[in-house]
Amino acid sequence: EVQLVESGGGLVKPGGSLRLSCAASGFSLSSHNMNWVRQAPGKGLEWVSSISSSTGFTYYADSVKGRFTISRDNAKNSLLLQMDGLRDEDTAVYYCARDGNWLPVWGQGTLVTVSS
Amino acid sequence: IVMTQSPATLSVSPGDRATLSCRASRSVSSNLAWYQQKPGQAPRLLMYGSSTRATGISARFSGSGSGTEFTLTISSLQSEDFAVYYCQQYNYWPQLTFGGGTKVEI
Repeated sequence: EVQLVESGGGLVKPGGSLRLSCAASGFSLSSHNMNWVRQAPGKGLEWVSSISSSTGFTYYADSVKGRFTISRDNAKNSLLLQMDGLRDEDTAVYYCARDGNWLPVWGQGTLVTVSS
Repeated sequence: IVMTQSPATLSVSPGDRATLSCRASRSVSSNLAWYQQKPGQAPRLLMYGSSTRATGISARFSGSGSGTEFTLTISSLQSEDFAVYYCQQYNYWPQLTFGGGTKVEI
């Protein structure tokens, strides 16, 4: 069964760091473009970052550029998101999602709360 | 690119037909997807390519449009269809953009 499971969320103070993981099963993560999408409480969906399967190029929304880093751990078949310099407005459920156009596979999400 | 959905909330009765709109600030060709999200759940892909149903999606759902104007139609609403619906353009991948959502409520 194709599945994505996120972990690593939690409560962090403004300016702090957190690393999210997304474990893939049922497919090889390195063969697919992968994405992080977030949803602030009661709000809509916002694309955060993507990594290309073919080139390894990484892409970021302006709101997180320079603070977040997306990467893959192919040995663990996992997608990572290193989040530094966290701000209140980064509070959201973070989803990983597979593929590069429409997104047919999503994880269940992990909640990141940035608060002092 | 900005995706605008209307209405923000749609109040309908079971058995009714629901029509949801999505407008792009510039052409996205047919590179548009629709998602359904229920409380506490991840989004679920309904449609891609504007009008192609994803695997396992009921034929009650249909999509249309190209360029800047798109429509998701749900014929004969069932209880499980009450949810929030999002459109998403992927014409400008990796800059994916979602609309603000339409809540379909009873």
